[in-house]
Amino acid sequence: DAMVIQNPRYQVTQFGKPVTLSCSQTLNHNVMYWYQQKSSQAPKLLFHYYDKDFNNEADTPDNFQSRRPNTSFCFLDIRSPGLGDAAMYLCATSRDPFPQTGGMTNEQFFGPGTRLTVL
Amino acid sequence: GIQVEQSPPDLILQEGANSTLRCNFSDSVNNLQWFHQNPWGQLINLFYIPSGTKQNGRLSATTVATERYSLLYISSSQTTDSGVYFCAVMDSNYQLIWGAGTKLIIKP
Repeated sequence: DAMVIQNPRYQVTQFGKPVTLSCSQTLNHNVMYWYQQKSSQAPKLLFHYYDKDFNNEADTPDNFQSRRPNTSFCFLDIRSPGLGDAAMYLCATSRDPFPQTGGMTNEQFFGPGTRLTVL
Repeated sequence: GIQVEQSPPDLILQEGANSTLRCNFSDSVNNLQWFHQNPWGQLINLFYIPSGTKQNGRLSATTVATERYSLLYISSSQTTDSGVYFCAVMDSNYQLIWGAGTKLIIKP
């Protein structure tokens, strides 16, 4: 089945120790997104890639970086995690963000998430 | 920017009951999605429904785009329906704008 895969599902890191979260997709979608979700809140968009074009949200801290080496993979790097970065990190994909025709949609599909703990 | 409001914020029901969740949005949107977030954090796509009505088993959804609201119906609730239900709309910048969610608890 086509899907969005995130590894690891749970990640524990120490304060200030760099960490990388990974996302892969078999949907062959053009767009990949990274969201941060804290307890009892809606997901918050950090950034997205439209093909190789990187789009950063204005309020995403510089501590967060992303790489997309190819269509299938996208990485979230947290350079110096703080206690406030403990959260669920969700990866999502969509075929294309723009309005679609011919039965295609710009629906977003999510991976299972990586829950990050910072000690 | 677009505002998305969901109601009610919390809902507790007995197994077998029916429920209606509402999503109001403040402007025209490019799409609308309903998600269920299970207790393990997985966001599951329920409906992609910018307009009209769709049904999938015990769940159905209706979006009236001209009146800027969408409804999610859950019939014959089961304990596995528990979790948080999010409505998200796509704005003119093609970003998803999320409601705060409805937390649903189904008691056996």
